[in-house]
Amino acid sequence: GQQVMQIPQYQHVQEGEDFTTYCNSSTTLSNIQWYKQRPGGHPVFLIQLVKSGEVKKQKRLTFQFGEAKKNSSLHITATQTTDVGTYFCAASGGYQKVTFGTGTKLQVIP
Amino acid sequence: EAQVTQNPRYLITVTGKKLTVTCSQNMNHEYMSWYRQDPGLGLRQIYYSMNVEVTDKGDVPEGYKVSRKEKRNFPLILESPSPNQTSLYFCASSLTSGSIDTQYFGPGTRLTVL
Repeated sequence: GQQVMQIPQYQHVQEGEDFTTYCNSSTTLSNIQWYKQRPGGHPVFLIQLVKSGEVKKQKRLTFQFGEAKKNSSLHITATQTTDVGTYFCAASGGYQKVTFGTGTKLQVIP
Repeated sequence: EAQVTQNPRYLITVTGKKLTVTCSQNMNHEYMSWYRQDPGLGLRQIYYSMNVEVTDKGDVPEGYKVSRKEKRNFPLILESPSPNQTSLYFCASSLTSGSIDTQYFGPGTRLTVL
């Protein structure tokens, strides 16, 4: 079945530093979604990417979808303590099944 | 308020004792899904449903059952729970398909099987 690898598993950064998490698939994806889960909370949708090479921005967050539609990244500029949480990518190969990445847990040190 | 609700939020049970975790959404969504979350493994899809009476297996369906008799409800049934089903469970719903629409997650059910 479809596999989605996400790295790194953990990341500690000083407040103000940048952060990036990467999502890689073994197969071509029809689209990719990103979710954020705060500690003790549930996943919350951030964004969806559909087109090859697509780049979307939300304030300090930049999302990219690879040209081959097999990988994606989430970059946070100048992290803040409110960015703490686990970031997941969620991928679909075109069917109704959804495969989540293993997540990257971000810790921001004030 | 648009939401996905799950009950119970916490449950401790013993091996073999049948249990049901309920999930309900008030957004008239067609697609509903169950996930389990385990440390280091992320969220893994158990079952999903495209609409009433239409369900299909996700990546980890063994040991679970679901039903979708009404559009708003999607209960998860563990007929004979085992300790390896100790996990955090999330129900989610989306308008049409989980693969192309935003999924809205419930608050989670933390299950411990002794």
